[in-house]
Amino acid sequence: DSGVTQTPKHLITATGQRVTLRCSPRSGDLSVYWYQQSLDQGLQFLIQYYNGEERAKGNILERFSAQQFPDLHSELNLSSLELGDSALYFCASSVEGGTQYFGPGTRLLVL
Amino acid sequence: GQNIDQPTEMTATEGAIVQINCTYQTSGFNGLFWYQQHAGEAPTFLSYNVLDGLEEKGRFSSFLSRSKGYSYLLLKELQMKDSASYLCAVRERDKLSFGAGTTVTVRA
Repeated sequence: DSGVTQTPKHLITATGQRVTLRCSPRSGDLSVYWYQQSLDQGLQFLIQYYNGEERAKGNILERFSAQQFPDLHSELNLSSLELGDSALYFCASSVEGGTQYFGPGTRLLVL
Repeated sequence: GQNIDQPTEMTATEGAIVQINCTYQTSGFNGLFWYQQHAGEAPTFLSYNVLDGLEEKGRFSSFLSRSKGYSYLLLKELQMKDSASYLCAVRERDKLSFGAGTTVTVRA
């Protein structure tokens, strides 16, 4: 158990819908990272927050957005969902400059 | 950005040793990580190298050569539970970029 929690574990929704994925970092970690992992692609970095502020952006679509709240939990919002958005979404957390520890992931299926 | 290459698949026998190579190109190297990932599960941290040389952690060791842009993960005394994907990840500033992963299958 890494100490990073993610909810929900599984999510099934339809194309065009919007969903919110939630992540709580390890105690003491100020950085939160979001990744997408689909079958045909490796782990793709989406976005990083540090202490409430966006710090780095990767291959994140404009339909996706994220935020980190004052209690340091983070949410990833995915809208206008497409079939190709079906994937595992992982959250990771770290102290600044430290090792990233991953949550158990949310498996999203868009039908 | 980074180019990270590692073999797609490797197969080895229980009790044997396997070496997974990783080559990378980066403009701002700030450490190399190895993670293990079982199918459908989260990546779990195995090792970290930022200076050249070998880091040993039980049955797992990792080596780094920054000048060559090269690392390897050595798995000794293979067990069936070591069957998994092994991900090489390079950090540039605070951002991690992952290789596609090497699927290791351990046979009895």
